[in-house]
Amino acid sequence: ETGVTQTPRHLVMGMTNKKSLKCEQHLGHNAMYWYKQSAKKPLELMFVYNFKEQTENNSVPSRFSPECPNSSHLFLHLHTLQPEDSALYLCASSQDLGLGSSYNEQFFGPGTRLTVL
Amino acid sequence: GNSVTQMEGPVTLSEEAFLTINCTYTATGYPSLFWYVQYPGEGLQLLLKATKADDKGSNKGFEATYRKETTSFHLEKGSVQVSDSAVYFCALSALNPNSGGSNYKLTFGKGTLLTVNP
Repeated sequence: ETGVTQTPRHLVMGMTNKKSLKCEQHLGHNAMYWYKQSAKKPLELMFVYNFKEQTENNSVPSRFSPECPNSSHLFLHLHTLQPEDSALYLCASSQDLGLGSSYNEQFFGPGTRLTVL
Repeated sequence: GNSVTQMEGPVTLSEEAFLTINCTYTATGYPSLFWYVQYPGEGLQLLLKATKADDKGSNKGFEATYRKETTSFHLEKGSVQVSDSAVYFCALSALNPNSGGSNYKLTFGKGTLLTVNP
């Protein structure tokens, strides 16, 4: 496997289910991200992890729970979701060069298409 | 805060037509600017970037110039192909105030759907 992989690619779940999305990066990066992509809305950054530590949580509801056990893996645990949570969930990774670097190129996975019934 | 505004789509062109997708931004400091492309069923891929004023990013026949005076980063291609059909996102990278300014954050526009017909 190369780049950033995500599983599953498609997921349908009921509002009472518990499921998890998985992301793995094979690029040796130290930062990982979860984004939500909904129709006709800008990409929404949900969570950021640097060196396995969560550095950002953009007011995401607690029904979304991230987990980063190591710098290569990132999970998004889902429970009691709402229909409006249906979206494409994208994972990305980058090499965070810290202060002094002018940009951080992010590499994206193909996403998980989530449908909440 | 930082923001990116790009032209609403969808944009439909015939093959070999000239493409322009407008993008303007608002940011504090000196951001870096990007265009990402998302082909059907895939994640986003970096298309090109520019890290300082007057830089021109280019890739696969696409170009964009970082214009600080007009805060713009318009995407252009002289002759589009059917395979260019995708969603294009303009983005900027700037220091993230939520992290105390210790790392960089990408801010995306809403995306522009381009369809190229043969």
